[in-house]
Amino acid sequence: DSGVTQTPKHLITATGQRVTLRCSPRSGDLSVYWYQQSLDQGLQFLIQYYNGEERAKGNILERFSAQQFPDLHSELNLSSLELGDSALYFCASSVGTADTQYFGPGTRLTVL
Amino acid sequence: AQSVSQHNHHVILSEAASLELGCNYSYGGTVNLFWYVQYPGQHLQLLLKYFSGDPLVKGIKGFEAEFIKSKFSFNLRKPSVQWSDTAEYFCAVILYNQGGKLIFGQGTELSVKP
Repeated sequence: DSGVTQTPKHLITATGQRVTLRCSPRSGDLSVYWYQQSLDQGLQFLIQYYNGEERAKGNILERFSAQQFPDLHSELNLSSLELGDSALYFCASSVGTADTQYFGPGTRLTVL
Repeated sequence: AQSVSQHNHHVILSEAASLELGCNYSYGGTVNLFWYVQYPGQHLQLLLKYFSGDPLVKGIKGFEAEFIKSKFSFNLRKPSVQWSDTAEYFCAVILYNQGGKLIFGQGTELSVKP
């Protein structure tokens, strides 16, 4: 158990819908990262927050957005969902930036 | 663009065989290097990491990796694999000038036959 929690574990929804994925970092960690894992793209970095502020952005679609709240938990919002958004979404956390990242169990999103 | 390359997509070994998984990265600056393992149906777990110092690092479960700066490589090794090592292995780097994002290799699927 890494100490990073993610909910829900599984999510099945339809195209065009909007979902919210939630992540709670390890106690004491200020950075939260979101990654997408799919068969064709592998593991791709989406976005990083550090102590509430966006720190780095990767291959994140405009339909996707994220935020980190004062209690340091983070949410990833995916809207206008397409079939190709079906993937595993991982959250990771670290103490600072460029530190070791510890991963949560992931949310498996299926878009039908 | 910076990238991480893992040479083997799928490796099949018998128990007690030795393992070496190759990893190369393309970036001339300072990096932190990691190997993560993903057991079937599970999340990524840290195997080992290199930040600085001794280029030979030891991780959990008998794994070790050697950082060779001149070759931009960080190969993973284990002298004797077990069936329970069956998993997917990911090499990853953090680039100091690009925040904290991990750049992952494509992954190597290891199958160990009992």
